[in-house]
Amino acid sequence: GQQLNQSPQSMFIQEGEDVSMNCTSSSIFNTWLWYKQDPGEGPVLLIALYKAGELTSNGRLTAQFGITRKDSFLNISASIPSDVGIYFCAGQTLIQGAQKLVFGQGTRLTINP
Amino acid sequence: DTEVTQTPKHLVMGMTNKKSLKCEQHMGHRAMYWYKQKAKKPPELMFVYSYEKLSINESVPSRFSPECPNSSLLNLHLHALQPEDSALYLCASSQDEWRGNQPQHFGDGTRLSIL
Repeated sequence: GQQLNQSPQSMFIQEGEDVSMNCTSSSIFNTWLWYKQDPGEGPVLLIALYKAGELTSNGRLTAQFGITRKDSFLNISASIPSDVGIYFCAGQTLIQGAQKLVFGQGTRLTINP
Repeated sequence: DTEVTQTPKHLVMGMTNKKSLKCEQHMGHRAMYWYKQKAKKPPELMFVYSYEKLSINESVPSRFSPECPNSSLLNLHLHALQPEDSALYLCASSQDEWRGNQPQHFGDGTRLSIL
């Protein structure tokens, strides 16, 4: 089946540092999504990417949809304590009348004050 | 605050009990989803409903029975569950596919523990 390789699996950084994580796939996706999940909560959509090569920002977050449609990266600038959590990339395809997500394994971000 | 509401937030049940998880959204979305998430793992798709009809069943055991009574509600009926079914159960919704690729929005989940 389809799989996404997300890296790194975990990051330990100092507050104020920039963060970069990425996902690669052997399959093409029409949409790439980035979610953040805090403990005890569901994933929250951060950024959605719909076109190959698209670069999109959401505040301190920037994400890009790879030109081959098989990869994406997420950057966080000037990290703050509330950025702590697990970040998931997800590739989305249309199948059988609905949108199916394939998730990466997640990147756990820890920030040292 | 999420626009997808799931109840209950926590559920503890025995292996012989029957219980139901509920999910509600009022965003006009016509596709709704159930996911299972184990600790430190990504969500795994269980079921997809499109226009109140079951579209995808990812080979889920029959002790999980989904139901979509109307376009705003999604239920997951549980019966004779096993301890390995303990997990966070997430509901999500999205616009229908005719509006193009629209992202899924998740609820905060029901934390299920099987004794």
